Amino acid sequence: DAGVIQSPRHEVTEMGQEVTLRCKPISGHDYLFWYRQTMMRGLELLIYFNNNVPIDDSGMPEDRFSAKMPNASFSTLKIQPSEPRDSAVYFCASSSSWAYEQYFGPGTRLTVT
Amino acid sequence: AQTVTQSQPEMSVQEAETVTLSCTYDTSESDYYLFWYKQPPSRQMILVIRQEAYKQQNATENRFSVNFQKAAKSFSLKISDSQLGDAAMYFCAYRRGGGYQKVTFGIGTKLQVIP
Repeated sequence: DAGVIQSPRHEVTEMGQEVTLRCKPISGHDYLFWYRQTMMRGLELLIYFNNNVPIDDSGMPEDRFSAKMPNASFSTLKIQPSEPRDSAVYFCASSSSWAYEQYFGPGTRLTVT
Repeated sequence: AQTVTQSQPEMSVQEAETVTLSCTYDTSESDYYLFWYKQPPSRQMILVIRQEAYKQQNATENRFSVNFQKAAKSFSLKISDSQLGDAAMYFCAYRRGGGYQKVTFGIGTKLQVIP
């Protein structure tokens, strides 16, 4: 298995632009997680899905952030409009009901100027 | 709410020596899992070791072992025969049992390995 795939690996954009991050979970996994990592706040859970349905989005910072999972093999995290304080590394992770741990993608480093 | 505390922002160890990273957690649950993840400069989060709360025996994976003290809610990671490739951020993490999937991570400990 190729593991969790994220794209792009790096994204540089200007304030006010829309940013879309993509994730392909491990085949067969029914849980998908989006995290944000910053020096100040560490690793924060933004939202997670079970069988493509959002279960907990309490970590989504504000309405500028939205996430979708249209099918079992694809999810997006969108920021519109982006702000410099959104600069961070965004991780996608997946797991299954019968597994203990989450498997992480390589992350997307987002820089908003 | 569950919390995970890593009180050592940075640690250093000489190559081939042993180092212990500390972690404490707070929970009222009896069924849960604990993890140590490693994040090298490549950013990839890699699972190092896990411990099921119902198991009294401490988990071991090659040079990595844990000291799980359930009553004290302590979960430390011991790295033996440290290697240069062990240099990374290490995150302690907690997950409630019973199919609950949300994981709480500590703030991390940066480990430096000195040649």
